[in-house]
Amino acid sequence: EAGVAQSPRYKIIEKRQSVAFWCNPISGHATLYWYQQILGQGPKLLIQFQNNGVVDDSQLPKDRFSAERLKGVDSTLKIQPAKLEDSAVYLCASSLGRGFFGGYTFGSGTRLTVV
Amino acid sequence: AQSVTQPDIHITVSEGASLELRCNYSYGATPYLFWYVQSPGQGLQLLLKYFSGDTLVQGIKGFEAEFKRSQSSFNLRKPSVHWSDAAEYFCAVAGSGGYQKVTFGTGTKLQVIP
Repeated sequence: EAGVAQSPRYKIIEKRQSVAFWCNPISGHATLYWYQQILGQGPKLLIQFQNNGVVDDSQLPKDRFSAERLKGVDSTLKIQPAKLEDSAVYLCASSLGRGFFGGYTFGSGTRLTVV
Repeated sequence: AQSVTQPDIHITVSEGASLELRCNYSYGATPYLFWYVQSPGQGLQLLLKYFSGDTLVQGIKGFEAEFKRSQSSFNLRKPSVHWSDAAEYFCAVAGSGGYQKVTFGTGTKLQVIP
């Protein structure tokens, strides 16, 4: 089966600019996650979708970050305006059903550099 | 709140030597536990997981982990390390039931020397 697709792989922007990332999960995976991984740290969950509904966005900085998952398939994560501290790898993952019993399948991530 | 501690930021082992990566978790009940591996520029790959039952869990690539409730630990082991095992390893914990989120540790970077 095809894996979790993410694009772009790399992005460099100036602070205060906006940026968007795209994720296409594994076909049939109802749950989709966006994680932020800052260099030297473990991934931190930003938002979790179940189909096209938000299950958990408690750690999403909502003043600048937004995410949507229209039609319950692919998803976009947007940052507007970006700050220097947003430099990180943004990982998308998906899983079957409502949980993670089979483990997540991660995409390769988008490396964002804010200058 | 749940949390994971990986006390070793960086470990170096010789090829062919045994490996143990430490992981301690904090959670009020029986947790779900995971080990993931991340190669440079790649996403995370699941090595193994523990939900219940046998406390010694076998995973892919020859890895195993043992759940010790009394020590709140879930250490990852491999009897003989290969150069291709060089990567970063993340321990993760999740609560049982519902939409409990997965919390990752800060990772241990493994270097393998010839």
